[in-house]
Amino acid sequence: NAGVTQTPKFRVLKTGQSMTLLCAQDMNHEYMYWYRQDPGMGLRLIHYSVGEGTTAKGEVPDGYNVSRLKKQNFLLGLESAAPSQTSVYFCASSSGVSNQPQHFGDGTRLSIL
Amino acid sequence: GDSVTQMEGPVTLSEEAFLTINCTYTATGYPSLFWYVQYPGEGLQLLLKATKADDKGSNKGFEATYRKETTSFHLEKGSVQVSDSAVYFCAPGARSGNTPLVFGKGTRLSVIA
Repeated sequence: NAGVTQTPKFRVLKTGQSMTLLCAQDMNHEYMYWYRQDPGMGLRLIHYSVGEGTTAKGEVPDGYNVSRLKKQNFLLGLESAAPSQTSVYFCASSSGVSNQPQHFGDGTRLSIL
Repeated sequence: GDSVTQMEGPVTLSEEAFLTINCTYTATGYPSLFWYVQYPGEGLQLLLKATKADDKGSNKGFEATYRKETTSFHLEKGSVQVSDSAVYFCAPGARSGNTPLVFGKGTRLSVIA
């Protein structure tokens, strides 16, 4: 029972490099989310999707792009990485029903040098 | 939109002490309310939930009662253990298909033997 799987778990980038974080869920959830977690800041929503082919901006979308080409996958891209994007990134999914929780992956720890 | 305010940590307790982490919400009506827990190096996972006013959620010795009079959903445990050391997040449920959850900033709990 995999749930939400994030790839990779760790990555170190140099400033200006690009990369894509992959999130996959096997629960047939409509909604998927990308958050970043920084010390003392809690969870901040970057982008989210309410269905295949749709995306929307969250609280801190600048510097990131996302795509949801398949229902089970939600990709987060950094086109030109900056040190301010050093963080732990979490993906989550949910059915969208109000009394149902979000399910989280284990996170990707990203360092930008 | 709906939001929650959590007490700030960190909270440090001795083993077997009583725990309360305060959470108050601001919402129109009565959304579902959730407590999530994040153990070191992991993603968030659902701890307990309450789907309507006056409901009590419970799990692993933790309890929280949805109190509409005080708009609160405080997390309690009668006797904490070292293994309860984690970060705890309060969050309202989604209100509509397009509204992401807004998490509290999290409260870090450290339990010492």
